[in-house]
Amino acid sequence: SAVISQKPSRDICQRGTSLTIQCQVDSQVTMMFWYRQQPGQSLTLIATANQGSEATYESGFVIDKFPISRPNLTFSTLTVSNMSPEDSSIYLCSVGPPADTQYFGPGTRLTVL
Amino acid sequence: EDKVVQSPLSLVVHEGDTVTLNCSYEVTNFRSLLWYKQEKKAPTFLFMLTSSGIEKKSGRLSSILDKKELFSILNITATQTGDSAIYLCAVSGGYQKVTFGTGTKLQVIP
Repeated sequence: SAVISQKPSRDICQRGTSLTIQCQVDSQVTMMFWYRQQPGQSLTLIATANQGSEATYESGFVIDKFPISRPNLTFSTLTVSNMSPEDSSIYLCSVGPPADTQYFGPGTRLTVL
Repeated sequence: EDKVVQSPLSLVVHEGDTVTLNCSYEVTNFRSLLWYKQEKKAPTFLFMLTSSGIEKKSGRLSSILDKKELFSILNITATQTGDSAIYLCAVSGGYQKVTFGTGTKLQVIP
């Protein structure tokens, strides 16, 4: 199974600022995904990070708010821009074919004041 | 729109009890159903089910899928305090999209 690391593990940010979350995998993977889990809610897919092309965003999520980079097959970043308290969530990256075992990173707990 | 509903939302049991967690779903072009355990932040994979009626087992945990009735159950026998977690059910459907349920929060008390 893939070993995934995320940085930072947690952060507290001021409203209006931006935070970039990094996801590093120990092997090359085709598909990487970014999820959000708001307090008391389930996981919601934000976007699929595609290597060499723009990310594919799910309904309700836009590139201006959640820009994603995928410079190679082992790394991706998610930026949460112009943050508001409603962005307080756990952000998770995952890898693997969607219809197969998905492995999750350890997550980033974001609190926006 | 794909949908996953889990029940109960939460459950408190004593060590040694057996629990059954339920997951029903509606999905376009079903590919697989997945169970995860979430203790802190990151969900850890438990089972992937693709065929009806075939039980998957791992220690005290087992799961089965009914594709006709569109549901799955996760059983945990002889529960331990370490089983306390949120159990997530997810389905993979059309366009390779995975939809998660809201989870069942299990608390096992000594």
